[in-house]
Amino acid sequence: DAGVIQSPRHEVTEMGQEVTLRCKPISGHDYLFWYRQTMMRGLELLIYFNNNVPIDDSGMPEDRFSAKMPNASFSTLKIQPSEPRDSAVYFCASSFSGGQFNQPQHFGDGTRLSIL
Amino acid sequence: GNSVTQMEGPVTLSEEAFLTINCTYTATGYPSLFWYVQYPGEGLQLLLKATKADDKGSNKGFEATYRKETTSFHLEKGSVQVSDSAVYFCALMKTSYDKVIFGPGTSLSVIP
Repeated sequence: DAGVIQSPRHEVTEMGQEVTLRCKPISGHDYLFWYRQTMMRGLELLIYFNNNVPIDDSGMPEDRFSAKMPNASFSTLKIQPSEPRDSAVYFCASSFSGGQFNQPQHFGDGTRLSIL
Repeated sequence: GNSVTQMEGPVTLSEEAFLTINCTYTATGYPSLFWYVQYPGEGLQLLLKATKADDKGSNKGFEATYRKETTSFHLEKGSVQVSDSAVYFCALMKTSYDKVIFGPGTSLSVIP
């Protein structure tokens, strides 16, 4: 079975550039989550969607960050302009709300982002 | 609000030692509880879960029991292996229609 697919796996870019991270959730899942992981702050929830609609974006650090989910099989997280403090591993996860109670989240392998 | 507290790491054990990683939670009602594991360079993956009080989740030799009276969900394994070296996250979810609350993670290193 295909899991959550993220691209790119690694991204190195200079500050000020636009960065776009991509995620393909597991087919049939109706929730999608974007997380950021750093040594200092641990795992932080940035935003999550239900049926392609953003439900809670309170974790988005500032206006430089934006996320979209144009359809059930694709989501993007964009940073514009990027800054060195945005360097982190960004994870996408998806889950299915129906069926057996409280299904777990399935994570992608992450995008390691380095802003120089 | 809802929260999860884990014992601080890093934890270093010798192979075949007994492992306990403590986890306590704060939440109203009856959340579902999870342990996730993150191996180096990978995303988190579900290790085990329990959905109601006194349930025991188990997988790959790991166990955790949902203790409502102590609001705890401690992770245990009788004999750890080098391949168990990873970061372990305790988490809770109130309903299927809500986000997961993760603990800070506990790093485990198992040495031969």
